[in-house]
Amino acid sequence: DTGVSQNPRHKITKRGQNVTFRCDPISEHNRLYWYRQTLGQGPEFLTYFQNEAQLEKSRLLSDRFSAERPKGSFSTLEIQRTEQGDSAMYLCASSLEARGNTIYFGEGSWLTVV
Amino acid sequence: AQSVTQLDSQVPVFEEAPVELRCNYSSSVSVYLFWYVQYPNQGLQLLLKYLSGSTLVESINGFEAEFNKSQTSFHLRKPSVHISDTAEYFCAVILDYKLSFGAGTTVTVRA
Repeated sequence: DTGVSQNPRHKITKRGQNVTFRCDPISEHNRLYWYRQTLGQGPEFLTYFQNEAQLEKSRLLSDRFSAERPKGSFSTLEIQRTEQGDSAMYLCASSLEARGNTIYFGEGSWLTVV
Repeated sequence: AQSVTQLDSQVPVFEEAPVELRCNYSSSVSVYLFWYVQYPNQGLQLLLKYLSGSTLVESINGFEAEFNKSQTSFHLRKPSVHISDTAEYFCAVILDYKLSFGAGTTVTVRA
């Protein structure tokens, strides 16, 4: 069990550029989540997958955001035409299917849009 | 909608003193409650969780939390803190397989 892995850990990009983050969940975990966290706030839910199916998307996930989990293993979160308001830490998490199972988080990917 | 309120945004405390972090939730259904800790520049780590059974749950590093249904609370306590406990602490509730977090409480332990 190597934990949830995210990369890159840090990304600085110019406004208007596209960025992509990758998340490798704990193996055998069929649920995968993306959260966003800004300074001084708790993490906010963005979206989650069960296997390869994206089951729920928050209204925070604008049209510029897209997440995929093509083979039910790793996931990518892409942000197109980045804006300064996108600057945040993007957290990935995974769990086994079953209500109450622990959700394990990765170290996060910091995005700074300049 | 279910939500979590953490009543204290900052808690300064001296080393070896006790600390309590308050968390209230609002829900009309059975809840699963969690406390996560986030050390500087790191992701979230699970401290402890309440699913059912005993209302007092403990972590391996001396923290405990008590589920109180009548007061809809899940306060976190530690009788004696260490410098290494300096971190941000998040209370969370799970519904429909996703976590909803409070705003967090920053604990700063001073010598």
